[in-house]
Amino acid sequence: DQQVKQNSPSLSVQEGRISILNCDYTNSMFDYFLWYKKYPAEGPTFLISISSIKDKNEDGRFTVFLNKSAKHLSLHIVPSQPGDSAVYFCAASAGGSQGNLIFGKGTKLSVKP
Amino acid sequence: KAGVTQTPRYLIKTRGQQVTLSCSPISGHRSVSWYQQTPGQGLQFLFEYFSETQRNKGNFPGRFSGRQFSNSRSEMNVSTLELGDSALYLCASRIQGYTDTQYFGPGTRLTVL
Repeated sequence: DQQVKQNSPSLSVQEGRISILNCDYTNSMFDYFLWYKKYPAEGPTFLISISSIKDKNEDGRFTVFLNKSAKHLSLHIVPSQPGDSAVYFCAASAGGSQGNLIFGKGTKLSVKP
Repeated sequence: KAGVTQTPRYLIKTRGQQVTLSCSPISGHRSVSWYQQTPGQGLQFLFEYFSETQRNKGNFPGRFSGRQFSNSRSEMNVSTLELGDSALYLCASRIQGYTDTQYFGPGTRLTVL
């Protein structure tokens, strides 16, 4: 049973426009959420995180929104750049009880010039 | 600060053999986690070590084991390799706490023939 779901395997966006990547979770014990970006043959690179006590966190072009009632989070990238093309993973943890990350299957983002 | 390093980067083994992978965490990081990435299952948590003790364990058979040394470096071992063990093995380190961000190494690509 997948606890973290990224229902869109791929997303294509024009350069300069907004990219919105979505993630749903089922475990209400999750209290810490992260987004990672991954290029082929490399390890995931940390992008941004959010604690369950917040509903928004911004870092430059990246903003993560958390809707606890819907058990949904999203990553907004504005403006999108060709270098953003990668696979994006959503991850969650129940930080108070265990620190391992539960990952979604990823969304492949393609930003076209 | 140097990132997480993993050696070797690539390995080819045959069924029945055993393998040891190594991970050096970021300086000052005391927690090391291991993950397996496969096309079918995505990124799955194997185990986490903190202060030379296994702190958390995922749902993998006992053929998968690990250890951590006093300098926080970690090794993972897979015995009696099976074809299905072919995967990218990723190591991640964090300072110590459950909500500290995990930073990943580049991974070791293991191919079992």
